[in-house]
Amino acid sequence: AQTVTQSQPEMSVQEAETVTLSCTYDTSENNYYLFWYKQPPSRQMILVIRQEAYKQQNATENRFSVNFQKAAKSFSLKISDSQLGDTAMYFCAFMKAAGNKLTFGGGTRVLVKP
Amino acid sequence: EPEVTQTPSHQVTQMGQEVILRCVPISNHLYFYWYRQILGQKVEFLVSFYNNEISEKSEIFDDQFSVERPDGSNFTLKIRSTKLEDSAMYFCASSGGEGQTGTSTDTQYFGPGTRLTVL
Repeated sequence: AQTVTQSQPEMSVQEAETVTLSCTYDTSENNYYLFWYKQPPSRQMILVIRQEAYKQQNATENRFSVNFQKAAKSFSLKISDSQLGDTAMYFCAFMKAAGNKLTFGGGTRVLVKP
Repeated sequence: EPEVTQTPSHQVTQMGQEVILRCVPISNHLYFYWYRQILGQKVEFLVSFYNNEISEKSEIFDDQFSVERPDGSNFTLKIRSTKLEDSAMYFCASSGGEGQTGTSTDTQYFGPGTRLTVL
């Protein structure tokens, strides 16, 4: 079974600064997908970024980028130029290449301070 | 932009009662999911549904739970006899539509959730 671990329960960052969220996972699979989802106070889960394990290039989506280290089974999310609207819970998630269910980490609460 | 919708946003029920949570997935999506999140805990997979049948379910998804796609647009989760521990946020998700590959590994898009409170 896959497990996803987010070791930082909460992080705060000043507006316009950069924050990095860590995520590690455990799997015996070689092909899989990794995701970061954002859950603002409204509770809706919003996709932030997706990474295919077979791609060496790190995914980027505007101010959001990942550092994918396959050998270390690490998948961190960097939020650059943090904005107040980035305040939310962030979940790292794993999906097997042959499967369809998401396995989520415990989440990291990010607070962006003005 | 198309989105997944869920109703009701909040459901309060008495223990032992049946509840039906409703979802309208994104049109043309092929795969449908239910997840739940007990307050303060991880989001947990319940069930996936494809081609009018369950494709995978978790240990949580016991005989008290059932899913159905009664027409071409709705996807429902029924809890037959609710327990106190069923109190949670229930999220519907869908994937595998136009613009994606149409496989089970497409990105899942989530609805806003239904908060279920069992008294």
